[in-house]
Amino acid sequence: GEDVEQSLFLSVREGDSSVINCTYTDSSSTYLYWYKQEPGAGLQLLTYIFSNMDMKQDQRLTVLLNKKDKHLSLRIADTQTGDSAIYFCAEDTGFQKLVFGTGTRLLVSP
Amino acid sequence: SAVISQKPSRDICQRGTSLTIQCQVDSQVTMMFWYRQQPGQSLTLIATANQGSEATYESGFVIDKFPISRPNLTFSTLTVSNMSPEDSSIYLCSVEDGTAGGYTFGSGTRLTVV
Repeated sequence: GEDVEQSLFLSVREGDSSVINCTYTDSSSTYLYWYKQEPGAGLQLLTYIFSNMDMKQDQRLTVLLNKKDKHLSLRIADTQTGDSAIYFCAEDTGFQKLVFGTGTRLLVSP
Repeated sequence: SAVISQKPSRDICQRGTSLTIQCQVDSQVTMMFWYRQQPGQSLTLIATANQGSEATYESGFVIDKFPISRPNLTFSTLTVSNMSPEDSSIYLCSVEDGTAGGYTFGSGTRLTVV
């Protein structure tokens, strides 16, 4: 079955880089996504990567995909206090069904 | 990208009652998805709703408890029936966004059952 794991918590200082990691088990994933959820809000799509890519950069965000190890990471450069939120990775298993990770709570301190 | 209007944004309901959540999309979409996010947890897919056919439910979710309507290509409702405190969660609808890529989510309905 599908299983997506993330570390629960990450704390960084403003201006540092943040790296949020995700591991998944379904090798048939087509796309992998990163979503941001702020307190009391819905989900905001940050970026996504197709499974045949190994890197995607979008402004302050860099996604790395190691398909062999089934490992996905999101790097946020120059992290700001406004980046404090819960970050979810999700895999599309190919049936338009998203399986979400457990979520990583990012806390950015001034 | 697609814009989803979901309502109500929150509600407090008595156990044993039912609540219907609505999602309106600003463009026509083939499939709409309903998710549940229990307190402090990740999101779990409840069902997939196609226009003109019965919704497809994931393991652990049944139509009697979570009936879904999909009367046209821009609208869907999810009803949480005969509620108990264990149904207290955030419920979100989602659509595949052909323009922006990925899946767009509604702002969610925060349900508290007392």
